[in-house]
Amino acid sequence: DQQVKQNSPSLSVQEGRISILNCDYTNSMFDYFLWYKKYPAEGPTFLISISSIKDKNEDGRFTVFLNKSAKHLSLHIVPSQPGDSAVYFCAASATTTGAGSYQLTFGKGTKLSVIP
Amino acid sequence: KAGVTQTPRYLIKTRGQQVTLSCSPISGHRSVSWYQQTPGQGLQFLFEYFSETQRNKGNFPGRFSGRQFSNSRSEMNVSTLELGDSALYLCASSLEAGAQPQHFGDGTRLSIL
Repeated sequence: DQQVKQNSPSLSVQEGRISILNCDYTNSMFDYFLWYKKYPAEGPTFLISISSIKDKNEDGRFTVFLNKSAKHLSLHIVPSQPGDSAVYFCAASATTTGAGSYQLTFGKGTKLSVIP
Repeated sequence: KAGVTQTPRYLIKTRGQQVTLSCSPISGHRSVSWYQQTPGQGLQFLFEYFSETQRNKGNFPGRFSGRQFSNSRSEMNVSTLELGDSALYLCASSLEAGAQPQHFGDGTRLSIL
């Protein structure tokens, strides 16, 4: 059972426009969320994160929004640049389970293509 | 500052063999986690180590094992390799157990013939 879902395998956006990547989760114990970017032949690179006590976090061109009631988060990239073309993974962690583990549960990724 | 280093980058093995993969975390990071990435299952958690102790393990058979050394470097071992073990194995490190974000290495691409 997929606890973190990225329902769009791919997304194409024109350079300069906004890219919106979506992620849904089912486990209500998740309280920390991260976005990673991955280029071919490289490991995932951390982009931005958000704690469940917030509903928005911003870092430069990247903003993550969290809607806890809908169990939904999104990553906005404005403006989109060709160098943003990569696979984006949403990940979630449960930091208060008491199990002593903070493993990341990943979605299957969305491939973003930014067209010049 | 050096990132997470994984060796080797590529490995080819045959069914039934065993393999050991190595991971050196970012300097000062004490927690190491391992993940398996396949086209069908995506990124899946294997296990996490902190202070030379396995803190948690994902849903993988006992053929998958690991350890962590006193300098925080970690190794994972897969015995009796199967075709389905072909995957990208990623190591991630963080400052302490439970600290986020985890920072990933570039992985070891394991191919089983």
